[in-house]
Amino acid sequence: DGGITQSPKYLFRKEGQNVTLSCEQNLNHDAMYWYRQDPGQGLRLIYYSQIVNDFQKGDIAEGYSVSREKKESFPLTVTSAQKNPTAFYLCASSLNRGTDTQYFGPGTRLTVL
Amino acid sequence: AQSVTQPDIHITVSEGASLELRCNYSYGATPYLFWYVQSPGQGLQLLLKYFSGDTLVQGIKGFEAEFKRSQSSFNLRKPSVHWSDAAEYFCAVGSIFSGGSYIPTFGRGTSLIVHP
Repeated sequence: DGGITQSPKYLFRKEGQNVTLSCEQNLNHDAMYWYRQDPGQGLRLIYYSQIVNDFQKGDIAEGYSVSREKKESFPLTVTSAQKNPTAFYLCASSLNRGTDTQYFGPGTRLTVL
Repeated sequence: AQSVTQPDIHITVSEGASLELRCNYSYGATPYLFWYVQSPGQGLQLLLKYFSGDTLVQGIKGFEAEFKRSQSSFNLRKPSVHWSDAAEYFCAVGSIFSGGSYIPTFGRGTSLIVHP
């Protein structure tokens, strides 16, 4: 089955630690995205990538980093510089442009202890 | 700057009743508009989208939405709600980011509660 997988579903980390969230897609999509979701705030764009080895900052990129070494993978690292990292993180992909339908993964809930 | 407003945080309806979820956008050019649905603890699923053409758009699960340029609105409707429709609904407008790519900007969401 084609789709997007995110792992793990739940993640706990201690304050001051970096943590990497996984996102993999087998839809052969060029574009991939990372969103952060907080209660009552909708989705906010962290980073996006239109092509391998290239990515752009979104609205709230500070304290996050990404890589796009392979078409099917777009991992997100939440660094210790992120002041309030506890949130629900969603990865998405689309065929090419932003006007194409985005397909979302099931999300990772990160909690900082 | 582009923005999306969903004025209702929560909407409660009885099963079988009609539904309308409101969405207003702010965007200078012709917008690309989307409605997504999210079940608890899950990712989002596209219900429908509008790019151009007929202003009444049909989507999955019996939903439809109407684009009204004069009111800057893209309201989502369903004639008869089922208990399984209880979820969070997000309106989004495609916005140009740096590099010329269109990226959806999402509203804050409306939580739909369905009473039996």
